[in-house]
Amino acid sequence: LAKTTQPISMDSYEGQEVNITCSHNNIATNDYITWYQQFPSQGPRFIIQGYKTKVTNEVASLFIPADRKSSTLSLPRVSLSDTAVYYCLVGALGGNFNKFYFGSGTKLNVKP
Amino acid sequence: DADVTQTPRNRITKTGKRIMLECSQTKGHDRMYWYRQDPGLGLRLIYYSFDVKDINKGEISDGYSVSRQAQAKFSLSLESAIPNQTALYFCATSRSSGRQETQYFGPGTRLLVL
Repeated sequence: LAKTTQPISMDSYEGQEVNITCSHNNIATNDYITWYQQFPSQGPRFIIQGYKTKVTNEVASLFIPADRKSSTLSLPRVSLSDTAVYYCLVGALGGNFNKFYFGSGTKLNVKP
Repeated sequence: DADVTQTPRNRITKTGKRIMLECSQTKGHDRMYWYRQDPGLGLRLIYYSFDVKDINKGEISDGYSVSRQAQAKFSLSLESAIPNQTALYFCATSRSSGRQETQYFGPGTRLLVL
């Protein structure tokens, strides 16, 4: 089962770069890695998705080493509004329902 | 995301009552999901549907049922509500693709069972 392990919480300050690492030792060949962001009392929101190496979009970067057993979400120059819970998901089309395993996520607290 | 709507947004009910939570989407997606979230915890999948004729149990389906009335509508029912079903419920949609699909979530329904 491609479940994931993330730190429960992290603290940062405004303007810093934040890196959140997710472990997924049982990742399968066809699995993609997807990160979501959730603010209190709102539904999760897609941030970024990747399969290998590095993916970058307007809000984040995703680093995936060659063995793909972990991934790191990088948020550049965070602001107070980045305070949220971040979930790492691993799965692929055609898998069983465990591809939708959100886990407890990482609660990021950005301080002024 | 305004493309995925949930009704009601808040609901208080009593133990033993039957209630229905509704989800509608205008994204044209074929896949729909129901999750629950308890305070301080992640989301857990209740049911999911890959098309109108397809219904699948998720991680925690006991005590719940669903109906996929149309591609755009997916309802969750609690046949006889109990207090430990008090939670925040989210509906989500996605489009089948060649990779792990991106899910789009509704605003949530906060349910309190007394």
